[in-house]
Amino acid sequence: SYELTQPPSVSVSPGQTASITCSGDRLGHKYASWYQQKPGQSPVLVIYQDNKRPSGIPERFSGSNSGNTATLTISGTQAMDEADYYCQAWDSSYVVFGGGTKLTVL
Amino acid sequence: QVQLQESGPGLVKPSETLSLICTVSGYSISSGYYWGWIRQPPGKGLEWIGTIYHSGSTYYNPSLKSRVTISVDTSKNQFSLKLSSVTAADTAVYYCAKSREMASVSDAFDIWGQGTMVTVSS
Repeated sequence: SYELTQPPSVSVSPGQTASITCSGDRLGHKYASWYQQKPGQSPVLVIYQDNKRPSGIPERFSGSNSGNTATLTISGTQAMDEADYYCQAWDSSYVVFGGGTKLTVL
Repeated sequence: QVQLQESGPGLVKPSETLSLICTVSGYSISSGYYWGWIRQPPGKGLEWIGTIYHSGSTYYNPSLKSRVTISVDTSKNQFSLKLSSVTAADTAVYYCAKSREMASVSDAFDIWGQGTMVTVSS
């Protein structure tokens, strides 16, 4: 079965750039999406089709996808960005989520 | 705007069938989009359960396929989840969600329900 691998945790200082990776076999040949989830809340879509932002998502969120790795980048990270982030892709008629990355802003 | 709301029992006994309904407001399911179920065990990550199209076409997680049935009731603007032979491992928050694109099963989920906690215990 297809797997997406994320680092369990990433730390970043306020105002700096955070990068969260998501690895999977030939992931660059698929579309990657990213979700933000804060404690006790439902996931929120922040990036779809590798690098597109839904309406209402700040410009500091961006994405890329090439080779075997998709990357979510948060520029000028703010305290409010502290959350769990999940990547997602579609493979052979099913949805796959990465294990999630806890982003700590300190 | 489109809103989704999960409902169903919060407690299910082991070996029984978990049944949940997702009620959609602000959009008619029969007009399109794909509709999915995703769950999240306490303290763990997201797990996709399955997706259904308004026509009834379904896609299931291979690891759950033998126990899962997702159906749609366009007259009530609802879609439902049944998971049979549950165990403690099925304890989770269950979310329903809508695909971002109307006719693409492989697209992201852009609107999620608030989630409902289901505990499997005797």
